[in-house]
Amino acid sequence: NAGVTQTPKFRILKIGQSMTLQCAQDMNHNYMYWYRQDPGMGLKLIYYSVGAGITDKGEVPNGYNVSRSTTEDFPLRLELAAPSQTSVYFCASSPPSGEKLFFGSGTQLSVL
Amino acid sequence: AQSVTQPDIHITVSEGASLELRCNYSYGATPYLFWYVQSPGQGLQLLLKYFSGDTLVQGIKGFEAEFKRSQSSFNLRKPSVHWSDAAEYFCAVGMNTGFQKLVFGTGTRLLVSP
Repeated sequence: NAGVTQTPKFRILKIGQSMTLQCAQDMNHNYMYWYRQDPGMGLKLIYYSVGAGITDKGEVPNGYNVSRSTTEDFPLRLELAAPSQTSVYFCASSPPSGEKLFFGSGTQLSVL
Repeated sequence: AQSVTQPDIHITVSEGASLELRCNYSYGATPYLFWYVQSPGQGLQLLLKYFSGDTLVQGIKGFEAEFKRSQSSFNLRKPSVHWSDAAEYFCAVGMNTGFQKLVFGTGTRLLVSP
């Protein structure tokens, strides 16, 4: 079982560049999430989606955009990368019961 | 608003010794509580959860946690630590509804000495 797959695993961006972090899940989960993890800060919710075509902001959405055109995919877009977006990004999904989040292995992003 | 406090940033335990990681939460109603573990370079994996019922919950890898409403705590315990338990542990709180917008603590890094 693949579970939640994130690509790429590592990326270095220059200030002002844009990129898309990919996330796909094969468990037919309705709910998907993007978190960022900064050292010593725990995980902060960026965006989430309760189903295809429905997305909403989390705690730290500024500088990011998302879309959810299919149940499987939930890409995260950075339009104008800034050093403050240097972080590790985790995608997760969960079934409707919400009893468990399944996490991808993360994308380590550096903006220089 | 929900919040989670993990007061210990690092803890070092000798292999074979017992472990307790502290977690305190703030939430207006009965919360959903979780412990996740993160091994280096990996995503988070659920250890255990509390939704309702018995306040002592058992999880994977020999871990357990106890929900104490009066103390707003959900401490994680293990009677005998193994070297493979070295990782970062996150406590999280969610709403008592189906959809989960979890709030995570800042984590406790566990080091296991020989």
